Amino acid sequence: EVQLVESGGGLVQPGGSLRLSCAASGFTFSSYSMNWVRQAPGKGLEWVSYISSSSSTIYYADSVKGRFTISRDNAKNSLYLQMNSLRDEDTAVYYCARDNLGLSWGQGTLVTVSS
Amino acid sequence: DIQMTQSPSSLSASVGDRVTITCRASQSISTYLNWYQQKPGKAPKLLIYAASSLQSGVPSRFSGSGSGTDFTLTISSLQPEDFATYYCQQSYSTLYTFGQGTKLEIK
Repeated sequence: EVQLVESGGGLVQPGGSLRLSCAASGFTFSSYSMNWVRQAPGKGLEWVSYISSSSSTIYYADSVKGRFTISRDNAKNSLYLQMNSLRDEDTAVYYCARDNLGLSWGQGTLVTVSS
Repeated sequence: DIQMTQSPSSLSASVGDRVTITCRASQSISTYLNWYQQKPGKAPKLLIYAASSLQSGVPSRFSGSGSGTDFTLTISSLQPEDFATYYCQQSYSTLYTFGQGTKLEIK
């Protein structure tokens, strides 16, 4: 069974940084592309970033480009999102999602950007 | 970026009703279209992939159709557990985009 467990969320001031982690189990992590998707309170889903299985291909949404960095460690079955220069509008639940004929999702971690 | 537009934004229906939700892409995406169900406080759940393929474990009352720019999700006979928000998502471009969601409420 695919399991994705996000961690690292919390309260951070505008301009601050946070690093999210996603621990994967139940599948061969190194064989799959992964994504981060977020959902602001009461809003819809917004794709944030994509990383291929070997980390050779990476994409970002325009809203986070230059501020967020996606990475992975296949030896540790883990996905990461380094978030810098955080803004109020980055407040959201952040989900990691496995890419395979549609997305399979973790339970999410809440990031709150507020002074 | 490819824009995805769902309609309606909200829908009231009764148990046993047949319901259809529409998703339109701003350009052709072949059949690179997925549907998700999300309940309050929970992560989205994949229902349909590649426009019409039912994800394992999803009840057969859910079906999807369409290609190119126009797609539909149909629930043949609404059950109480189906009241939720539904999202379409294009995977034609790796800059994935979602529809704005359709909230299905009990009439």
